[in-house]
Amino acid sequence: DQQVKQNSPSLSVQEGRISILNCDYTNSMFDYFLWYKKYPAEGPTFLISISSIKDKNEDGRFTVFLNKSAKHLSLHIVPSQPGDSAVYFCAAADAGGTSYGKLTFGQGTILTVHP
Amino acid sequence: ETGVTQTPRHLVMGMTNKKSLKCEQHLGHNAMYWYKQSAKKPLELMFVYSLEERVENNSVPSRFSPECPNSSHLFLHLHTLQPEDSALYLCASSRGTGYEQYFGPGTRLTVT
Repeated sequence: DQQVKQNSPSLSVQEGRISILNCDYTNSMFDYFLWYKKYPAEGPTFLISISSIKDKNEDGRFTVFLNKSAKHLSLHIVPSQPGDSAVYFCAAADAGGTSYGKLTFGQGTILTVHP
Repeated sequence: ETGVTQTPRHLVMGMTNKKSLKCEQHLGHNAMYWYKQSAKKPLELMFVYSLEERVENNSVPSRFSPECPNSSHLFLHLHTLQPEDSALYLCASSRGTGYEQYFGPGTRLTVT
C-alpha cells in the first residue's frame, strides 16, 4: 500500500517553460513534505520542503504548493533549465509523531528539460 | 572528503557470502539512515540511528545487520542474502532525526 504516489513516471518540458511535478498522499497524519532531486550515480539531494501549516513555499525558481484537503502537493520549476533534468522524489513525514526522521517516498518522476 | 560517502560503490556477492557496506558522513550530523531502493520501487527506510543508538528498525530481515560505532560511521553487514535483495543501498545523515537528509551516492548490490 503506497502512501505517497507520483503518478507520472516522466515529464518532458521545453527550456524556459514551467515544469509541474505532482504528488498525492493517502496518510492524513503526514504533515511535512519534501522534494528531493537525484542525478544519475548520485544520491538524492534535498530541494525544498513545506509544512502543513502553509500552502506554499518558494525558493528561487522552485515553488511547492500543498492542498491538504486534496492530499496533493506539486513542485513548480520556473523557468525550467536543462540542468534541472533529473529524477524528482516527493517525500512525506509525520513530524508530529515519534517517527525519528522517517520519510515515506514516492516512486519518482523523471524530468527532462529540452534546450 | 565532504558530504556523505559510501563504499563500495558496486558489489556483487553470492548468497553464501558475508560482506559489509560502509557509510561515512563529514557533516557533523548525529543521525544516520540506511535506505533500500529496488527497481521501480520507492526508497524504503531500513534503519535509523540517532546518537549511535538504533531508534528505528523497519521490519528488516535479520540477514541485514546494521552497526553504528560512532556518529560519523554506519555499516550494513550482509549475510546469506537472496537475489531479491539486489538493489541500490543508500546511506543518509541529518542533524537530529530531521527530515532534511543528506544522502550518499549509494552502493549498487547484486546478489547472484
